[in-house]
Amino acid sequence: DIQMTQSPSTLAASVGDRVTITCRASQSFSTWLAWYQQKPGKAPRLLIYKTSTLESGVPSRFSGSGSGTEFTLTISSLQPDDFGTYYCQQYKRYSTFGQGTKVEMK
Amino acid sequence: EVQLVDSGGGSVQPGRSLRLSCVGSGFPFDDSAMHWVRQPPGKGLEWVSGISWNSADTAYADSVKGRFIISRDNAKNSLYLQMNSLRVDDTAFYYCAKGTAMAAAFADWGQGTLVTVSS
Repeated sequence: DIQMTQSPSTLAASVGDRVTITCRASQSFSTWLAWYQQKPGKAPRLLIYKTSTLESGVPSRFSGSGSGTEFTLTISSLQPDDFGTYYCQQYKRYSTFGQGTKVEMK
Repeated sequence: EVQLVDSGGGSVQPGRSLRLSCVGSGFPFDDSAMHWVRQPPGKGLEWVSGISWNSADTAYADSVKGRFIISRDNAKNSLYLQMNSLRVDDTAFYYCAKGTAMAAAFADWGQGTLVTVSS
């Protein structure tokens, strides 16, 4: 099984900050990596798939990159609606999620 | 518009069974792989199980293998999760999710249904 490890677990940031979240895989793979945002009491929302493809309707301040065992989600300028928890997901073989990164207000 | 409606959650004692359902609309259900993902309250996401469009292929997380059974009825646009021998650590919100394949990103999710396993 492919294990996914996210860092940091918690991130305190201010509106306008550039935010980067990292996801490391236990095995190397390319492409099949997604990122989600989740707000309390809601289902996750797909932000990015195939490492760097923005889902329809997602603001362009979100971007994804990486390959091999290291992948990143970047928010270029944090907005008030961006606070929440973010998860990476590998879907190279079935599916595994990272443990999540909570982005909270500094 | 894609809609997924989860139901069937509730409180149950350890060792008992429960069946979850998910009804899909707004998309060709019989052309889509479907999945269950769970989330213990306050914790992270865990993929539970997936089923191919024609039920020919099913897959399970190790944590539920041998206890849970995924199935679907394309005539009813419905997905099911039969959960047997439930344990306290199965307590979670269970979401159905639509995928393009057995390994997929999930653009569409149900609203979730809470399963509580407690004595």
